Amino acid sequence: TQLLEQSPQFLSIQEGENLTVYCNSSSVFSSLQWYRQEPGEGPVLLVTVVTGGEVKKLKRLTFQFGDARKDSSLHITAAQPGDTGLYLCAGDLRAIKGYSTLTFGKGTMLLVSP
Amino acid sequence: GAVVSQHPSRVICKSGTSVKIECRSLDFQATTMFWYRQFPKQSLMLMATSNEGSKATYEQGVEKDKFLINHASLTLSTLTVTSAHPEDSSFYICSATGLAGVNNEQFFGPGTRLTVL
Repeated sequence: TQLLEQSPQFLSIQEGENLTVYCNSSSVFSSLQWYRQEPGEGPVLLVTVVTGGEVKKLKRLTFQFGDARKDSSLHITAAQPGDTGLYLCAGDLRAIKGYSTLTFGKGTMLLVSP
Repeated sequence: GAVVSQHPSRVICKSGTSVKIECRSLDFQATTMFWYRQFPKQSLMLMATSNEGSKATYEQGVEKDKFLINHASLTLSTLTVTSAHPEDSSFYICSATGLAGVNNEQFFGPGTRLTVL
C-alpha cells in the first residue's frame, strides 16, 4: 500500500515551462520533505515543510504544505535543464508511529529539454 | 554541515559471498541511521532503522539474518549483505538523523551500487 501518492511519475517539458508535482495522502504527516536525486547519487534535501498551509520558496521552486498536513506540492517556474532529476516527496510518520520515519512517494522523473 | 558518506560507492561480488557497506556521518552525531534499497527507476524502500547501541528494527519482508546491521557508534553504521545473490543487486542508500536536523530531517549518503554476479 502506497501511503504517499506522487504524480506525475514522469514529466518531459521544454525549458522555460512551468510545472507542478503533487503528493497526496490520507495520512497526516508531522512534516514533509522534498528531495532531488541525480542518477547514481543519494537524495539531496530541498526543503522541509512542517506547518499546515506553509509555503516555502527556494529560488524558482515553491513548496506548499496542505492545511491538513496530508498533501504537498512543488511548483517550478521557468524550468531549466539543470532542474532535470528525480524529485521525491517523503512524509514523516511520527504523528502516527510515535517515532520519526519517512515514507517516500514513487518519485517524479523530470526531464527539461533545452 | 550534515554530510553522510558511504563506502564503497560500487562493489561487484560473486554469488554466495558477503559484502559490507559503511555509512558515516562526518560532521554530526547520528542518533538514528536508516538503510534503504532502490531499484532502477523506483523510489526508496526502507529496509531497517538502527539506533546507536541497540538492535536494528527491520521492515516487514526484510530478512534480518541476510541484511545484518550494526550501529556501533554515533557516526558509523554498517550493512552486511550475507550470502549475496544476483537478486540482491541494487542501489543501497543510508541516511542519518540527529542534532543536525531541526525537524528530524534525514541526510542521505551517496549510495552504494551492489552488483552480484
